[in-house]
Order: sequence, then C-alpha cells, then structure tokens
Amino acid sequence: GAGVSQTPSNKVTEKGKYVELRCDPISGHTALYWYRQSLGQGPEFLIYFQGTGAADDSGLPNDRFFAVRPEGSVSTLKIQRTERGDSAVYLCASSFRNERGEAFFGQGTRLTVV
Amino acid sequence: DAKTTQPPSMDCAEGRAANLPCNHSTISGNEYVYWYRQIHSQGPQYIIHGLKNNETNEMASLIITEDRKSSTLILPHATLRDTAVYYCIVRNTGNQFYFGTGTSLTVIP
Repeated sequence: GAGVSQTPSNKVTEKGKYVELRCDPISGHTALYWYRQSLGQGPEFLIYFQGTGAADDSGLPNDRFFAVRPEGSVSTLKIQRTERGDSAVYLCASSFRNERGEAFFGQGTRLTVV
Repeated sequence: DAKTTQPPSMDCAEGRAANLPCNHSTISGNEYVYWYRQIHSQGPQYIIHGLKNNETNEMASLIITEDRKSSTLILPHATLRDTAVYYCIVRNTGNQFYFGTGTSLTVIP
C-alpha cells in the first residue's frame, strides 16, 4: 500500500472486553512502532519492533497490553480486560531499518471503552 | 532520553515566516532532532530532521545551534493549512521517537 494502514479506524468496546488493533506498515519497512495518544497530549511511545522481535516494549503500561508481529510485517496490538482509561487514539508508524530515516504514521484507531 | 521544551502555542500571519523554537539542552552527540506536525484527527506527518548542520527541504528549514542545545523550525511562507501542532523530537539511539506536547501553531488570515 501507499502508506501505513490501521484497522479499524474506530472501535467501541465495553469495559472488560478484549480488543485487537491491526497495523499494516509500508512494504519493506522493518521497523514498526505503536503509540497511544490521549486528547490534548502528544503521542506516547508503547512498543517498537525491528523485524519480528520487540526491540523495546518499555512503553507498554501494564501486562494487559501486548503486541505481536509474527512475520515481520503486519502487527497487532492486543488489549485485555479493557478499562475506560484505555480510551485513546492508537497510532502505528513504520520506517526502514536505517535509524536516521523518517517514520511514517497511520491515521490511527480511535478506541473508546464504555 | 533527551527532553524537548516548546512553547505551547504560537500565532503567525498568513504569508509570513513561522519560526518555531525548541530547546533540547540534554541532547547527546549522536541524537538527531526531528520535527513532525499533526493536523487535527490525522496521524503525525514528518517534516524534517537534522544532526548538526542546518537542513532545508520543500516544506521547511531546520536551524540547529552550534552547541545543539536548541533548534528552530522555519516555515518560510505560512498558509492556513499549516495550522497544526508541531512536535520537536530528539530521537534516541534506541531508535524510538519520544513526543512532548508540542506547539499549537495557528496561522491567521
């Protein structure tokens, strides 16, 4: 595809439910990032993949959050036992392995926990 | 990780240059300065990045001080479509981008 694609664009779920958010990076990009953005705040780093492995997951807030990238392309962010405080826009970005290049962001998934 | 400090908001007259400052006094020698912007309800958009030298592309210019403790993003001829939140980011050696709260730029007709 031409850019980073995130699905769904909007997700409403009930408190306590499990959700999965999908990210399709730009073809050929080996680095993939997940961010979370609350209203009025800048994006908050969650996790960074280089290929299939999580190079840095220090931003995941707790063990209810988990992300995978089994084939080094598509990634899924998984949230268990959702809480109202998880409501935010979840952003995905990808870049080439070259660390000095720019990262390209998707449009995000707006998650609302009711 | 190096932190960045930006003014929370700025105004700029349409057609004038917009100069957005950023302080990053704890930046390390091999950390790059990146600028992104975010228009309401969209994902962040890359603008420019640099290490030591000033950089220019079709969108903007980046001026980095000699001591690298601060930088300025310059939009040479601001348009209404440049109204957005502008983020100055120091990219650490671990490859992550850490965003602050940015500067909300309003271009006034």
